[in-house]
Amino acid sequence: QKEVEQNSGPLSVPEGAIASLNCTYSDRGSQSFFWYRQYSGKSPELIMFIYSNGDKEDGRFTAQLNKASQYVSLLIRDSQPSDSATYLCAANNAGNNRKLIWGLGTSLAVNP
Amino acid sequence: DVKVTQSSRYLVKRTGEKVFLECVQDMDHENMFWYRQDPGLGLRLIYFSYDVKMKEKGDIPEGYSVSREKKERFSLILESASTNQTSMYLCASSLVSGFIYEQYFGPGTRLTVT
Repeated sequence: QKEVEQNSGPLSVPEGAIASLNCTYSDRGSQSFFWYRQYSGKSPELIMFIYSNGDKEDGRFTAQLNKASQYVSLLIRDSQPSDSATYLCAANNAGNNRKLIWGLGTSLAVNP
Repeated sequence: DVKVTQSSRYLVKRTGEKVFLECVQDMDHENMFWYRQDPGLGLRLIYFSYDVKMKEKGDIPEGYSVSREKKERFSLILESASTNQTSMYLCASSLVSGFIYEQYFGPGTRLTVT
């Protein structure tokens, strides 16, 4: 069974701090990894994707990928209350690239 | 910007009714997906389609069917709605681009079956 695992949280950080969200995946053939943000009652929206080992930065967000450890993370710098949401990690299904394997999400609360 | 729209935000149906959920995308994406999302169970794939008239079952296809007659439109059909199909239904689309298949979601339809 191919899986993506995330700590469900809630992860609570003070405003202005760095929030660190983590994800591990079981399918060694997965090549691309995605982070989505989902506000309560809304649909997921894509934050960023990564497919090379190392860091990828986009504004206040940095995705990190370590294929040897099968580990993906998302760092949110200068966290704002508006970042409070559930963050979903996904990996492409190596057996069928069109499909994604989804984690259950980590709930983040940024406290003013 | 990719735009994925769904026919209803909220829907209330009775047990046994036939229910149609429609999804339209405006970015000429090849792939379209139907998920349901329930608390504690995450996103579960019902069906997806990789071309007009082509479909594949996802993880939980029982009780559902789909139709894709035009590239931009993907419909989910509940043949005979049951209370355990009360859920948030999310449509998504994705482009074929090497091995990157990022998915873009519609706003969702919250379906209640009474």
